[in-house]
Amino acid sequence: DAKTTQPPSMDCAEGRAANLPCNHSTISGNEYVYWYRQIHSQGPQYIIHGLKNNETNEMASLIITEDRKSSTLILPHATLRDTAVYYCIVSGHAGGTSYGKLTFGQGTILTVHP
Amino acid sequence: GAGVSQSPSNKVTEKGKDVELRCDPISGHTALYWYRQRLGQGLEFLIYFQGNSAPDKSGLPSDRFSAERTGESVSTLTIQRTQQEDSAVYLCASSSSLGQGFNYGYTFGSGTRLTVV
Repeated sequence: DAKTTQPPSMDCAEGRAANLPCNHSTISGNEYVYWYRQIHSQGPQYIIHGLKNNETNEMASLIITEDRKSSTLILPHATLRDTAVYYCIVSGHAGGTSYGKLTFGQGTILTVHP
Repeated sequence: GAGVSQSPSNKVTEKGKDVELRCDPISGHTALYWYRQRLGQGLEFLIYFQGNSAPDKSGLPSDRFSAERTGESVSTLTIQRTQQEDSAVYLCASSSSLGQGFNYGYTFGSGTRLTVV
């Protein structure tokens, strides 16, 4: 699996956009970028994933650079409940030995302040 | 049920005893995963089941750990002769799988908090 690099922590003011960066410079052509978050004492929660194109859902937007070597998760209007550890993960593709297995790194601790 | 169910939610056991942890995935989800999360640490992959394929056991830390899955339903993770370092939250997740080559996002259970004393 390609490795990812994320800042260990970030702060954001409530109501502002939170932009969480992730570097995945060794990503291969068929690998997807996934984002999960883990709120204290809960299991991780799926947020969004993408391959090449930018994606948006009810939770967040995912911006992937054209060379796919980095991405940014955007929470457009952060709330206190968005305080969590955010994981950026690159997933193996079908047929590969790592298919389906997500490797969680240390993630970014996002703290949303009032 | 609507989500991934794990039982028990908490388990305290004496060192050297065997424990069995259970996971009920979302109905229809072909893929099932076990992870371990020690206090203050990230998630460690343990094992992955995908349909009828041979499971990926590459994350199991020792031969004291084993897991079974019946078809595409319940899975049990067994830890034999538990040690204090086995204390952690054991998380189960399931996902559906599309032929296009990626899994939809995992849905995690709430985990089993195992404490070995």
